[in-house]
Amino acid sequence: AQKVTQAQTEISVVEKEDVTLDCVYETRDTTYYLFWYKQPPSGELVFLIRRNSFDEQNEISGRYSWNFQKSTSSFNFTITASQVVDSAVYFCALSEALLYSSASKIIFGSGTRLSIRP
Amino acid sequence: EPEVTQTPSHQVTQMGQEVILRCVPISNHLYFYWYRQILGQKVEFLVSFYNNEISEKSEIFDDQFSVERPDGSNFTLKIRSTKLEDSAMYFCASREDTSNQPQHFGDGTRLSIL
Repeated sequence: AQKVTQAQTEISVVEKEDVTLDCVYETRDTTYYLFWYKQPPSGELVFLIRRNSFDEQNEISGRYSWNFQKSTSSFNFTITASQVVDSAVYFCALSEALLYSSASKIIFGSGTRLSIRP
Repeated sequence: EPEVTQTPSHQVTQMGQEVILRCVPISNHLYFYWYRQILGQKVEFLVSFYNNEISEKSEIFDDQFSVERPDGSNFTLKIRSTKLEDSAMYFCASREDTSNQPQHFGDGTRLSIL
């Protein structure tokens, strides 16, 4: 069965600090996708990144970076020089990646509430 | 950029009433999904839909729920005889015809059952 664990329920840091959100996943699939979504107070889901299980390269996008380690089944997300606008709930997620799967549902973690204090 | 559109943004309904949540997926997408998020909890898969039939459904998606694609553009979630615990944010998503394409989410409908 697929499962995503975000052990950090809430994190609070002062603006400009770096912060890492942890994500550990479980799957029996050999091919899968990992995601991070941001959910601001307004409630919508904002897509941040999708990573294929074959691609273990870390990725950087501005102040955001992601560390994918297949050996430890982790896909951690770091925000560098955090800003108040980064305050939100962040969800890590997983889906299968079968070539002709009609399902490919996304399994979400329970989320980490990140508060950035000015 | 094309978007998934959900209406209404907020629906208030009396317990026991039926409610229909509406979604307009991106026009060339063929796979459709509904997810639910109870306040303060994680987003949970409800159902996937392809070729006018349900592909997969979760344990949450019982006989109270149904989905329909009544025309070429809308995808609806019907909840019969609503209960207080149905209060949640409901997200619609769609994707293209190959699994290596990502799902695109709508902004959600907040359903409040009184």
